Amino acid sequence: EVQLVQSGAEVKQPGESLKISCKGSGYTFTTNWIVWVRQMPGKGLEWVGLIYPADSDTKYSPSFQGQVTISADKSINTAYLQMTRLQASDTAIYYCATGLVGATPGQFFDSWGQGTLVTVAS
Amino acid sequence: EIVMTQSPATLSVSPGERVTLSCRASQYISSHLAWYQQKPGQAPKLLIYGASIRAPGLPARFSGSGSGTDFTLTISSLQSEDFSLYYCQQYHNWPLLTFGAGTKVEIK
Repeated sequence: EVQLVQSGAEVKQPGESLKISCKGSGYTFTTNWIVWVRQMPGKGLEWVGLIYPADSDTKYSPSFQGQVTISADKSINTAYLQMTRLQASDTAIYYCATGLVGATPGQFFDSWGQGTLVTVAS
Repeated sequence: EIVMTQSPATLSVSPGERVTLSCRASQYISSHLAWYQQKPGQAPKLLIYGASIRAPGLPARFSGSGSGTDFTLTISSLQSEDFSLYYCQQYHNWPLLTFGAGTKVEIK
């Protein structure tokens, strides 16, 4: 069974940093793109970025470039999303996902993590 | 950036009715479109990719159509579990992925 298990909810103060994780199992983690998606409270889905764990090739949304860092440790089948200088506007659920169906993986996503709620408040 | 516009924002329907959701791309995306369903408190679920290919296990009442810039998701007979949010996503401009703002299907 394909699973993506994300780290737990975080509460941070403005200006702090955090790194959330996404551990994959039940499939070949290294050769399938992992995507990070943000969902602000009551809002839609926003693409943050992608990583290919085998070589850590990373693609960022222009909206998030320079604001976040995506990384992966293929030895433990885990991807990470790091955010620094957090602001209240970073409050959101962050999902990781991967795409295993279709001819070209990494374009759309059929397996999702449970989401990590990040709350930034003073 | 390719902008995806979904309409309507909210659709009020009765169980058993046929529902059509619209998604329009700001430029040509061929058939590089996916649809997702998201229920409250849950992660999105892939429904359709390639504009019309149902994800494994998806009931046949869901169908997708369209190409170029205009796409539709049709639910032939709405079931209680289908009341949800639906998003479209283009991947024609990969890796620059974009989602639509979503359509909420609610009980009339």
